[in-house]
Amino acid sequence: GAGVSQSPSNKVTEKGKDVELRCDPISGHTALYWYRQRLGQGLEFLIYFQGNSAPDKSGLPSDRFSAERTGESVSTLTIQRTQQEDSAVYLCASSLGDAYSYEQYFGPGTRLTVT
Amino acid sequence: GQSLEQPSEVTAVEGAIVQINCTYQTSGFYGLSWYQQHDGGAPTFLSYNALDGLEETGRFSSFLSRSDSYGYLLLQELQMKDSASYFCAVSEAAGNKLTFGGGTRVLVKP
Repeated sequence: GAGVSQSPSNKVTEKGKDVELRCDPISGHTALYWYRQRLGQGLEFLIYFQGNSAPDKSGLPSDRFSAERTGESVSTLTIQRTQQEDSAVYLCASSLGDAYSYEQYFGPGTRLTVT
Repeated sequence: GQSLEQPSEVTAVEGAIVQINCTYQTSGFYGLSWYQQHDGGAPTFLSYNALDGLEETGRFSSFLSRSDSYGYLLLQELQMKDSASYFCAVSEAAGNKLTFGGGTRVLVKP
């Protein structure tokens, strides 16, 4: 079956512009996660959606970052007034989200470059 | 705060065994996962431990000691394709977000 997909794969934007990144999770996965990975570093948690529960936004680095999810489907991560420090790969993952699921399935990521 | 420590880089030859250690300090603990990431690729799941002991999956094994807040990933019979970065990650609840370590870059030489 289809895996997690993300678009665009690459995005170059000018400092101060807004960007929107999209994630399509695996069908039937109720949990969806966004992470950020700077070059040569580990993944930083940003936000987590589980079913109809309120999202866990504890990892968002500033109020310029926001995310939405439509039901148990597509999610968009929006970064307003981008800064050069926002340059990174943004990874989306999904999982079954139940008590027995521990494996997260990652998409290929969106490489964001802010010039 | 949350922190996971793992070595930054390991080099070994084909056929060798490599052990990647991970120590963690987190406010909560449910399980320890390991992910592999090739350059430019997405992380892929390797292994998961929720209870103390060793889990074996083919050439890869993972160990957890909850009392020591410590785990390791063991890569056996190293192959060139095993050259990648390996990340340990802690989950604080079932199906919850992961807190990742900084990653260990493994370089396999012929």
